[in-house]
Amino acid sequence: DIVMTQSPVSLAVSLGERATINCKSSQSVLHTSNNKNYLAWYQQKPGQPPTLLIYWASTRESGVPDRFSGSGSGTDFTLTISSLQAEDVAIYFCQQYYITPPTFGQGTKVEIK
Amino acid sequence: QVHLVQSGAEVKEPGTSVKVSCKASGYSFTGYYLHWVRQAPGQGLEWLGWINPNSGGTEYALKFRGRVTMTRDTSISTAYMELNRLRSDDTAIYFCARDMSPRVGTDAFDIWGQGTMVIVSS
Repeated sequence: DIVMTQSPVSLAVSLGERATINCKSSQSVLHTSNNKNYLAWYQQKPGQPPTLLIYWASTRESGVPDRFSGSGSGTDFTLTISSLQAEDVAIYFCQQYYITPPTFGQGTKVEIK
Repeated sequence: QVHLVQSGAEVKEPGTSVKVSCKASGYSFTGYYLHWVRQAPGQGLEWLGWINPNSGGTEYALKFRGRVTMTRDTSISTAYMELNRLRSDDTAIYFCARDMSPRVGTDAFDIWGQGTMVIVSS
């Protein structure tokens, strides 16, 4: 199985400041035939299911604010929240869907400083 | 609007079985694979498997093979996940989630059910 490792485990950021979450996969999730990274990011608020933010490593899901962006390729990926809002307090998970079974990072908890 | 609505919470004794349902609406039920994912209290996300609602074909995570069964009833646009021989460490929220691309079982999950809490306790 591909192991997904996120860092940090938690971070506290002031409102309006940038939050950066890293995700590393134990093997590349870049499909060379279509040059796509099979990497997604999800947001989960307390008591709710996850919601899809980003897929193909950098494509925002419809309706997701543009302060959320994804980058990276191969084995190293980043989710950036450019200007943290109060409603962004949540746990964020990365997921690879390159190889079955799809696997998730352990999550990064984002709080307000 | 696209929705996945799951059945209610369950409390089960060790060694028994649980069957969770996931009713789809707002899209073609047979057009998109459905996955099942669980989340133990305070923990991360673990994939159990998928079902192709069109053919009924399934693929299960190695860890759950022999203990999980995924089925569907196309007449009521509902998928089911049954987990047998329950243990205390099966206590978790179980989610169904839709594959975002039609007829593909390897994609991100764009729609999630609200989750079903399953508690295994004697």
